[in-house]
Amino acid sequence: AQSVAQPEDQVNVAEGNPLTVKCTYSVSGNPYLFWYVQYPNRGLQFLLKYITGDNLVKGSYGFEAEFNKSQTSFHLKKPSALVSDSALYFCAVTSNNAGNMLTFGGGTRLMVKP
Amino acid sequence: DVKVTQSSRYLVKRTGEKVFLECVQDMDHENMFWYRQDPGLGLRLIYFSYDVKMKEKGDIPEGYSVSREKKERFSLILESASTNQTSMYLCASSGGYYNEQFFGPGTRLTVL
Repeated sequence: AQSVAQPEDQVNVAEGNPLTVKCTYSVSGNPYLFWYVQYPNRGLQFLLKYITGDNLVKGSYGFEAEFNKSQTSFHLKKPSALVSDSALYFCAVTSNNAGNMLTFGGGTRLMVKP
Repeated sequence: DVKVTQSSRYLVKRTGEKVFLECVQDMDHENMFWYRQDPGLGLRLIYFSYDVKMKEKGDIPEGYSVSREKKERFSLILESASTNQTSMYLCASSGGYYNEQFFGPGTRLTVL
């Protein structure tokens, strides 16, 4: 069985400061990892994914994530937070054994204060 | 622009009613998914379909069924709605393997 943990229900950061949203995973086989964002009253939007190759993945809106196989982590980062980044963020995982069946974490609410 | 649409944004039903949630995508994707989203639990997969008339159970299929008669349309059916099925339901589609899923706006279902 595969699983995702997002250990923080909420992350608070000041505008202009760097942000990190944490994600750890457990799979059998090779992991494929995703980050999605959900703005209020809207569906989920894809941010970025790691399939293979470079461990540092760059995505939409200036976000990036680092795949760390030894720590089974895929933390989402941004060098300088914007108030408009305030939203609910979900990490998700699948594997070569699970095909297209994604398992999502519980979500982390990011609050960026002016 | 890619689009996944869901038949209703808000729905209120009574216990025991049969409920249909419809999802349509215009991207010619072979994969379609139904999730429910509950606070603190993230998204949980109910069913997915990888082709017309094909379906696979997800993590929480009990109390639900699905239908996919056409490639662009994927329906979620609650045979006899119960209060514990009050939730946000999200439909998604994707093409190929390990590609991003595109989500609809969601249907907030309340079962009284």
